[in-house]
Amino acid sequence: GAVVSQHPSRVICKSGTSVKIECRSLDFQATTMFWYRQFPKQSLMLMATSNEGSKATYEQGVEKDKFLINHASLTLSTLTVTSAHPEDSSFYICSARFGRVPYGYTFGSGTRLTVV
Amino acid sequence: AQSVSQHNHHVILSEAASLELGCNYSYGGTVNLFWYVQYPGQHLQLLLKYFSGDPLVKGIKGFEAEFIKSKFSFNLRKPSVQWSDTAEYFCAVTVTGGGNKLTFGTGTQLKVEL
Repeated sequence: GAVVSQHPSRVICKSGTSVKIECRSLDFQATTMFWYRQFPKQSLMLMATSNEGSKATYEQGVEKDKFLINHASLTLSTLTVTSAHPEDSSFYICSARFGRVPYGYTFGSGTRLTVV
Repeated sequence: AQSVSQHNHHVILSEAASLELGCNYSYGGTVNLFWYVQYPGQHLQLLLKYFSGDPLVKGIKGFEAEFIKSKFSFNLRKPSVQWSDTAEYFCAVTVTGGGNKLTFGTGTQLKVEL
């Protein structure tokens, strides 16, 4: 149980365009999801916490206007990279919290974004 | 804010060797500790977790970890590694009452040679 599906797995886009990444909880309701960015050979850096039905909470230094997060339902959160630039190229991973305190966390398979 | 340190960035072992990966965290309150593994091209998978109780935690695939509160440590161990254990390993922590956000260590890349 507690499976998260993330799509697409890979995307290449042109500089200046926007890209949407979806994260779905398949067998549970995810009131809280998280979006991470992973640079090559580095750790996962939390970008934002996505709460169903409310605004996302962004970590310090993350541009909320560039990385738009929508969590309109209990099973879907989306991350839209707006006006993408080559420096936005990275591996983006979503995660969902499940259960009760102390929570468990499950992860999507990640999206490799390449901006050309 | 809590932080997690993994001192071994790259580890190379021969099959059947024993493994210990270090993890230290910096927070004095109640923590929940996790070890995740990321096999090449795959998503993060939970190896084991510690919430409370017995500080020696056993996980999947023969891994175990010991929580030593006095040392703020949660080291991962496996008595005999296999080639299939080649992966990246991440220690992570959440703080009870701290927003329940996972904070990850920098990761350890383990390579097991035949």
